[in-house]
Amino acid sequence: QVQLVQSGSELKKPGASVKVSCKASGYTFTNYAMNWVRQAPGQGLEWMGWINTNTGTPMYAQGFTGRFVFSVDTSVSTTYLQISSLKAEDTAVYYCARDRFKLDYWGQGSLVTVSS
Amino acid sequence: QSVLTQPPSASGTPGQRVTISCSGSSSNIGNNIINWYQQLPGTAPKLLIYSNNQRPSGVPDRFSGSKSGASASLAISGLQSEDEADYYCAAWGDSLNGRVFGGGTKLTVL
Repeated sequence: QVQLVQSGSELKKPGASVKVSCKASGYTFTNYAMNWVRQAPGQGLEWMGWINTNTGTPMYAQGFTGRFVFSVDTSVSTTYLQISSLKAEDTAVYYCARDRFKLDYWGQGSLVTVSS
Repeated sequence: QSVLTQPPSASGTPGQRVTISCSGSSSNIGNNIINWYQQLPGTAPKLLIYSNNQRPSGVPDRFSGSKSGASASLAISGLQSEDEADYYCAAWGDSLNGRVFGGGTKLTVL
């Protein structure tokens, strides 16, 4: 069965970096793109962008350029989200979601808390 | 401010039929398919409706979707307590060249 398993919660100080992982199983990893979606506390879903898991080419939504980097390691069927120069407003749950015209499977979410 | 507009809340009693609207424009809903996601409290979102009106395997037929022009609706019939959740519409936004979500609708079963 398709599974997306994300890394655990992180507590970081402002200015630090964090790397969230999303390990896929149960399907051919490179046949589907992977999206990233942010959900701030008590807020709605915000699309961050996606990465072509076959070529490693990322595409970032407006507002998620510069400090946000998507990457992929096909040898372990895993995509990564790295956020640098963390700010308090980056505190959120980050989801990965498999994509083929619809986000049909989602990871369980990774909570990133930024606090001094 | 979300690109797609949903009512922030909706409610109904068990057994009732409830509809949730999603309004966009010609550059998103009007020109692309719409998907709906259900997020139960404390859990990850789940695909509920895709390609405007298709249900993934395992989704009860109490849930249905429709689209007309630049608007879409999610209907839930025979409302049950376990339907209490946040519901999000989503579509591709041509002008943004990316996915856009509605702000979400919190459904309360009274």
